[in-house]
Amino acid sequence: KAGVTQTPRYLIKTRGQQVTLSCSPISGHRSVSWYQQTPGQGLQFLFEYFSETQRNKGNFPGRFSGRQFSNSRSEMNVSTLELGDSALYLCASSLYRGMETQYFGPGTRLLVL
Amino acid sequence: DAKTTQPTSMDCAEGRAANLPCNHSTISGNEYVYWYRQIHSQGPQYIIHGLKNNETNEMASLIITEDRKSSTLILPHATLRDTAVYYCIVKADNNNDMRFGAGTRLTVKP
Repeated sequence: KAGVTQTPRYLIKTRGQQVTLSCSPISGHRSVSWYQQTPGQGLQFLFEYFSETQRNKGNFPGRFSGRQFSNSRSEMNVSTLELGDSALYLCASSLYRGMETQYFGPGTRLLVL
Repeated sequence: DAKTTQPTSMDCAEGRAANLPCNHSTISGNEYVYWYRQIHSQGPQYIIHGLKNNETNEMASLIITEDRKSSTLILPHATLRDTAVYYCIVKADNNNDMRFGAGTRLTVKP
């Protein structure tokens, strides 16, 4: 079974632009969560989607948003990029919520110049 | 905020057991203990999880104390490829919000 895939793997943007990252979960998985990893803050939870609905949200500004499609694929969007948004963005999927184990993708490395 | 405390770094000799401790003194009854590891900025890799009983799989063993306030991840025969940052996480059974701490950087030495 294929793992979690994320596209693109690397991205360079400039301040003020917006970016959309994509995540395809493991086949059959219905929950997708997003995380941001930076050297200073470590791994931080962004939000979780299940059945096309955001179920949980971390402490991030409204510039960070996401959505989930009927096939469970998910996208996250960051608007008005800031230098501090440079990070590794990780997506994780699980069968359902709660007790199910989350499996991570390789991440998208975003550099904001 | 992370609800776990782990040592910042540990060393282990190749072929020996690596024992990684984790304190989670405020764990609630519906929270599981999960362990993940991350090798050089790849996506975190799931290792094992448990509620209150000891668990073992092909990668590791997880020992949880009877009061559930701490646990130990055991890699029985560490190899150089086990060098990574190991994260201990407590997570409730009703959501997928995992709060990662700083983890333990394990270095396996020849």
